[in-house]
Amino acid sequence: QKEVEQDPGPLSVPEGAIVSLNCTYSNSAFQYFMWYRQYSRKGPELLMYTYSSGNKEDGRFTAQVDKSSKYISLFIRDSQPSDSATYLCAMSGSGGYQKVTFGTGTKLQVIP
Amino acid sequence: NAGVTQTPKFQVLKTGQSMTLQCAQDMNHNSMYWYRQDPGMGLRLIYYSASEGTTDKGEVPNGYNVSRLNKREFSLRLESAAPSQTSVYFCASSFPGQGAAQYFGPGTRLLVL
Repeated sequence: QKEVEQDPGPLSVPEGAIVSLNCTYSNSAFQYFMWYRQYSRKGPELLMYTYSSGNKEDGRFTAQVDKSSKYISLFIRDSQPSDSATYLCAMSGSGGYQKVTFGTGTKLQVIP
Repeated sequence: NAGVTQTPKFQVLKTGQSMTLQCAQDMNHNSMYWYRQDPGMGLRLIYYSASEGTTDKGEVPNGYNVSRLNKREFSLRLESAAPSQTSVYFCASSFPGQGAAQYFGPGTRLLVL
């Protein structure tokens, strides 16, 4: 079983829809949770960063962490064609150097 | 402020050839990383350098070597390329310490024939 599971998609939605992207994980030591956006043939770009449980909002993006269920989500409101990309979740533990474990990514297509 | 830069952008090698991938960052980060990204496998850590003067193996170090030249630069060397090393390689950097977010370069696409 992988430490981090992420549905690869692809996920196709119409412009303006609310998008929900999710990851589950098995390592209860994870404390830091990130979402990256990766456009085709580009490097991953940090989108959201959260510590422990709770919600964080940044414009049209909301990140949620539920540590009790080992489940994290990224919501995109009023989705735009420019949001079409692959979204990677990532997480790491605490205490000294902790490697970051990445999900395999969900490919999102927003159709005009 | 260029962030993380990588050269070359694309390279074709024959089996057995060697090459060095270059990475530099201008964000004053202490820690630097090399990943490879393959379809269905996600990002896998090859080597990392927690600070200038130190390097450590990641998940998939076999067939690779690294050099932390100074605080800004971290290179990845393939001594004898194999077709299994065909991949997209990303360099990343971060501040030190737990939970530090990593910032990625644009990647190098490598094809080994």
